[in-house]
Amino acid sequence: AQKITQTQPGMFVQEKEAVTLDCTYDTSDQSYGLFWYKQPSSGEMIFLIYQGSYDEQNATEGRYSLNFQKARKSANLVISASQLGDSAMYFCAMREVSYSGGSNYKLTFGKGTLLTVNP
Amino acid sequence: NAGVTQTPKFQVLKTGQSMTLQCAQDMNHEYMSWYRQDPGMGLRLIHYSVGAGITDQGEVPNGYNVSRSTTEDFPLRLLSAAPSQTSVYFCASSNGFLGQPQHFGDGTRLSIL
Repeated sequence: AQKITQTQPGMFVQEKEAVTLDCTYDTSDQSYGLFWYKQPSSGEMIFLIYQGSYDEQNATEGRYSLNFQKARKSANLVISASQLGDSAMYFCAMREVSYSGGSNYKLTFGKGTLLTVNP
Repeated sequence: NAGVTQTPKFQVLKTGQSMTLQCAQDMNHEYMSWYRQDPGMGLRLIHYSVGAGITDQGEVPNGYNVSRSTTEDFPLRLLSAAPSQTSVYFCASSNGFLGQPQHFGDGTRLSIL
């Protein structure tokens, strides 16, 4: 079973509108972190936002916010006031803390959502 | 600030050749990892290290070898290149705190003919 599922291979949004990119995850750990990364066409991986499993408030970073619904195991990224420069691939990733052995540092990525912002 | 530096940026190999992808970080991060990115697959973990002298396998380790003799360097070796290893390779590093993001290098685009 996939640990991170991004069900939208591609999304389109009009400039200045808001868009939500979906991410659901699967873990039995109580302590974990969720990350969103942006990958523009130039190829680099850019960290956008982080949400910890014990954080009570949804994370926000400028125009990015994370709609965290722990019971549903979802961590959707919301981009407000979309800009042309937001056109990119977006990846959701999870970092688990396991006390049963193994590394606590591994990131598991979803397959990504390609966002296109139309003028 | 250099961050995570990967070399080379591009490489073409023939099937059966071996090569080493270099990765260096200057942030004193204990954790380093290698991912490969293929179309429609996201990033998949190849190998990772939690400190000098300690490495472990990720999701897709076959055909790759790693070692970590220093905190700064984490090279990835292709033992006998195969066309299935054509991919974009990313090195990343982070410290041990759960909320700290991994810092990625710019990637190496590798083609195996």
